[in-house]
Amino acid sequence: AQSVTQLGSHVSVSEGALVLLRCNYSSSVPPYLFWYVQYPNQGLQLLLKYTTGATLVKGINGFEAEFKKSETSFHLTKPSAHMSDAAEYFCAVSAKTSYDKVIFGPGTSLSVIP
Amino acid sequence: EPEVTQTPSHQVTQMGQEVILRCVPISNHLYFYWYRQILGQKVEFLVSFYNNEISEKSEIFDDQFSVERPDGSNFTLKIRSTKLEDSAMYFCASRTSGRVGEKLFFGSGTQLSVL
Repeated sequence: AQSVTQLGSHVSVSEGALVLLRCNYSSSVPPYLFWYVQYPNQGLQLLLKYTTGATLVKGINGFEAEFKKSETSFHLTKPSAHMSDAAEYFCAVSAKTSYDKVIFGPGTSLSVIP
Repeated sequence: EPEVTQTPSHQVTQMGQEVILRCVPISNHLYFYWYRQILGQKVEFLVSFYNNEISEKSEIFDDQFSVERPDGSNFTLKIRSTKLEDSAMYFCASRTSGRVGEKLFFGSGTQLSVL
């Protein structure tokens, strides 16, 4: 079975500062990992994903995440926060043996302070 | 970018009533999903649907729930007799194929309130 934890239900950063959103996963089989973003009153949008290959993956809007198997982590970063980055961010996992089902973490709400 | 559309955006119903949530997936997509998000909680998988049948469902998806693709374009979620705890945001999603790690496209959700 897969599960996802996200440290910090709410994170605040200043505009221009580093964004770091933490995600740890549990999976008994090799995972596929995702970050989704949810803007107010909108659906979930895929930011980036890790399936195989390079462990540092780049996504949209300047975000990137690094898969660290030894730490079972997939933290999301962005060097410089922008006001438009304020949203809810969800880390998610699916198993390579059951990729149909995506398991979401509880989410982290990101606020950007001007 | 193509979109998954969901109607209505908000639905209010009385406990015990039947509700149908509607979704129009992206036209060339073959795999369809329903997820829900109770206020303040995580997004939860409900069911996946392919080739006119359920391919996987969660423990949440009990006999009160059913899904249907009635006309080749719509994908519906029916809750037969709603309970207070069914109040949530329901998201429809779709994707083109079952290739591993493929991107899911989500709709903007239907907020269901059961009174």
